[in-house]
Amino acid sequence: QKEVEQDPGPLSVPEGAIVSLNCTYSNSAFQYFMWYRQYSRKGPELLMYTYSSGNKEDGRFTAQVDKSSKYISLFIRDSQPSDSATYLCAMTRGARGGADGLTFGKGTHLIIQP
Amino acid sequence: DVKVTQSSRYLVKRTGEKVFLECVQDMDHENMFWYRQDPGLGLRLIYFSYDVKMKEKGDIPEGYSVSREKKERFSLILESASTNQTSMYLCASSRQGAGTDTQYFGPGTRLTVL
Repeated sequence: QKEVEQDPGPLSVPEGAIVSLNCTYSNSAFQYFMWYRQYSRKGPELLMYTYSSGNKEDGRFTAQVDKSSKYISLFIRDSQPSDSATYLCAMTRGARGGADGLTFGKGTHLIIQP
Repeated sequence: DVKVTQSSRYLVKRTGEKVFLECVQDMDHENMFWYRQDPGLGLRLIYFSYDVKMKEKGDIPEGYSVSREKKERFSLILESASTNQTSMYLCASSRQGAGTDTQYFGPGTRLTVL
């Protein structure tokens, strides 16, 4: 079993829809959870960062962590064509947190249709 | 504004050549990382460094080495390039202590080995 599982998509939804992106993980040692957005031919950029189980909201984006189920989600409300990108979940991998690097999901390719 | 720059966006090399990929960050970050990104495999950690002249192997260090002579610069070296090293290479940096998990990425170098 891979440490982090993420459906690569593509996921295609109409503009204005609520988007749900998910990752599951197997390593209980993962502590910090992040979502990165990556546009074509660009480096990933950090969207959301969470530590504890529960929800964290930032504008149209909500990150959700359920450590008991080893499941994280990213919700996008009122989706826009500019949200079309690849979304990567990432988790800290070592005793020194992110200083030991991150473990990434493979990314979900999201397409918002105008 | 945080900035991670990589020396080349696109690079074409021949099998057996020695290849240097350079990364510079201007955020005074202690931690620096090299990942490669491949379709279907996601981002995988090659090497990382949490201090000048320090280096640690990631998940896929074979065929690579690194150099960190100055805090702001982290170089990835392909001693003898091979076709299976054709990939997108991403450099990232993060600060020490709390928030080590927030990694900032460069734009990437797309390397083709012929």
